[in-house]
Amino acid sequence: QLQLQQSGRGLVKPSETLSLSCIVSGDSIYNSAYYWGWIRQPPGKGLEWIGSIFYSGSTYYSPSLKSRLTISVDTSKNQFSLRLSSVTAADTAMYFCAMQQQLYDAFDIWGQGTMVTVSS
Amino acid sequence: DIVMTQSPDSLAVSLGERAAINCKSSQNVLYGPNNKNYFAWYQQRPGQPPKLLIYWASTRESGVPDRFSGSGSGTDFTLTISSLQAEDVAIYYCHQYYSIPGTFGQGTRLEIK
Repeated sequence: QLQLQQSGRGLVKPSETLSLSCIVSGDSIYNSAYYWGWIRQPPGKGLEWIGSIFYSGSTYYSPSLKSRLTISVDTSKNQFSLRLSSVTAADTAMYFCAMQQQLYDAFDIWGQGTMVTVSS
Repeated sequence: DIVMTQSPDSLAVSLGERAAINCKSSQNVLYGPNNKNYFAWYQQRPGQPPKLLIYWASTRESGVPDRFSGSGSGTDFTLTISSLQAEDVAIYYCHQYYSIPGTFGQGTRLEIK
């Protein structure tokens, strides 16, 4: 059964880069032909789609974050990653990785979440 | 971006009673060529990631109890819990995946009366 395990720092200083990874287990990220996404949730608020990536490396980003965002796939480690640069307090949120079977699809499987706080 | 608006924001229902949550999208999410609504419902319990309940507006995810059902088409959708159980206390979110960026409703908090 496919599972997602998140890792990364929970505290980032303003203006620095937030980095998170999501390890895929139970299937190969290369062979499964799924889409791998990131969603975030500010404290006490709703969900915001950040972006998604296909195993081939094709990326789809939220327009509001596109200028600061990089999502990548590392097939050798069976994981995908999120980098968000020039962070501010507004980027403080729970960050989730998740899987979609198609780009235009619901998110079937979710990681456990990583709380990231932007603070000096 | 498509705006998703849920109602009510919070809801208190007695155990065993019916609960209904509505979601309205600012644009049509029904794709004509395949007649599918690109729409889903999720349940989020405290401290947990969201869990997919319903996709394509009315298809129940594997393992989801049949007391959960989804209905609606186009711009207006409803999640119904036919007989509320204690473990259904959660926040429920709707989600459109018709266009990028995919967007979510603000959430509806469901509690026991």
